[in-house]
Amino acid sequence: DGGITQSPKYLFRKEGQNVTLSCEQNLNHDAMYWYRQDPGQGLRLIYYSQIVNDFQKGDIAEGYSVSREKKESFPLTVTSAQKNPTAFYLCASSIRANVLTFGAGSRLTVL
Amino acid sequence: AQSVTQLGSHVSVSEGALVLLRCNYSSSVPPYLFWYVQYPNQGLQLLLKYTSAATLVKGINGFEAEFKKSETSFHLTKPSAHMSDAAEYFCAVPDWGSNFGNEKLTFGTGTRLTIIP
Repeated sequence: DGGITQSPKYLFRKEGQNVTLSCEQNLNHDAMYWYRQDPGQGLRLIYYSQIVNDFQKGDIAEGYSVSREKKESFPLTVTSAQKNPTAFYLCASSIRANVLTFGAGSRLTVL
Repeated sequence: AQSVTQLGSHVSVSEGALVLLRCNYSSSVPPYLFWYVQYPNQGLQLLLKYTSAATLVKGINGFEAEFKKSETSFHLTKPSAHMSDAAEYFCAVPDWGSNFGNEKLTFGTGTRLTIIP
């Protein structure tokens, strides 16, 4: 079945550590996105990528980094510079016409 | 930049009652509007999408939404609530003011729907 796979589903991090969230899609979509979800704040865009080897900052990119070396993969690194990283992270992809397909999410907790 | 406002962060309705979830967009008429649903600890699923082809849009699970330009609204309704409708619902609009054009979606803050047995 085609879809988006995010891993791990749950992740715990100590302060000062970098962590990488995986996002893989087999939908042959060109565009991929990372959103952060916090209670009461909806979804906020972190980074997005339209094509391989190209990506742009979203609204809250500080403390995060991404790469897009393959069409299928768009990993997100949460760096130690992100001061409040505890959140639910959602990866999505799309073809034209704006319809996003989402993964099941990764919940990051800082200990 | 385009934005959407969802009135009511929490809505409770009795099973079998009408569901009404509110969404208003900012002043410019958008080419598309979306409603997504999120069940606990899951990603979002598309409920329905508005294009300019029709003002009344039917989606999955018996939901529908009506685009009203005069009210800048795109409210989501369902005639009879079911226990399985309990979830969080998000309205979204493309932000064509960004360099990314109309493929960047801006989401509302969400409305959590609770169904009372």
